Amino acid sequence: AQKITQTQPGMFVQEKEAVTLDCTYDTSDPSYGLFWYKQPSSGEMIFLIYQGSYDQQNATEGRYSLNFQKARKSANLVISASQLGDSAMYFCAMRFGGGADGLTFGKGTHLIIQP
Amino acid sequence: GAVVSQHPSRVICKSGTSVKIECRSLDFQATTMFWYRQFPKQSLMLMATSNEGSKATYEQGVEKDKFLINHASLTLSTLTVTSAHPEDSSFYICSALENSNQPQHFGDGTRLSIL
Repeated sequence: AQKITQTQPGMFVQEKEAVTLDCTYDTSDPSYGLFWYKQPSSGEMIFLIYQGSYDQQNATEGRYSLNFQKARKSANLVISASQLGDSAMYFCAMRFGGGADGLTFGKGTHLIIQP
Repeated sequence: GAVVSQHPSRVICKSGTSVKIECRSLDFQATTMFWYRQFPKQSLMLMATSNEGSKATYEQGVEKDKFLINHASLTLSTLTVTSAHPEDSSFYICSALENSNQPQHFGDGTRLSIL
C-alpha cells in the first residue's frame, strides 16, 4: 500500500532552535518524489523542498533541509534557526511513480514557534 | 515565476446552487492540473487530475457528475460543483504542473460555504 505518515500532530519550539518534522512513507515503486509544503492559516500551499528517490544527496533550500533515509523510508524536514513566521501547518507529500501524478499528503504537523 | 491564480477565493451560497472555480497558470503552460479538497483540520485529498483537451481522471469516491472539470487550455482548468449541498462545504485548491521535473504550484484556494 502506498502511504505517507506524519506522526507529530503538533509541535511547540522555541524561536531560533532547530526543528525536525517527521515523515515516513511506504511504497514498492522505485521511482517517487517527496515534497514538503507549508500552509499558513491563510490557506495557501507554499512549496519548500523536493527530494527525488534517485537523488544521492539530501536536498537543501536555505534554512530547509531534507534528511532522506531511503532504507528507513523516511524524509524528515529540518528547519534551522526557526523564526516566528515559521508557525504554520507543514505537510509531507509524495508523488508515486511518474512525474505527472497527483500528490498524496500526510496529515500534517502544526508547528508553533514561541518567542 | 510559476504563479497559479485561483478564483474566487471565497464563495457563500444557498444549497442547490452550482459553483464554478477557476484555476489559471499565469506565467507557464500547465501540462497537468490537479484539484484537491481539504476539510477543516484535515489534510489535502486529491480529487481529480486534469489534462488539457482530455477527460479528467477522478480519484475513487469522487463523483464525476458532481464535480465537473473542464481543462480547455494549457493555462485554465475549471471545477464546477453542481447542485452544491452543505456537505460540499470545504476548501478547494488547485495545482498546476509545468513538467514532470518540477514541483506542483498551488493556487491560493477557494473556501466554499453552502448554507
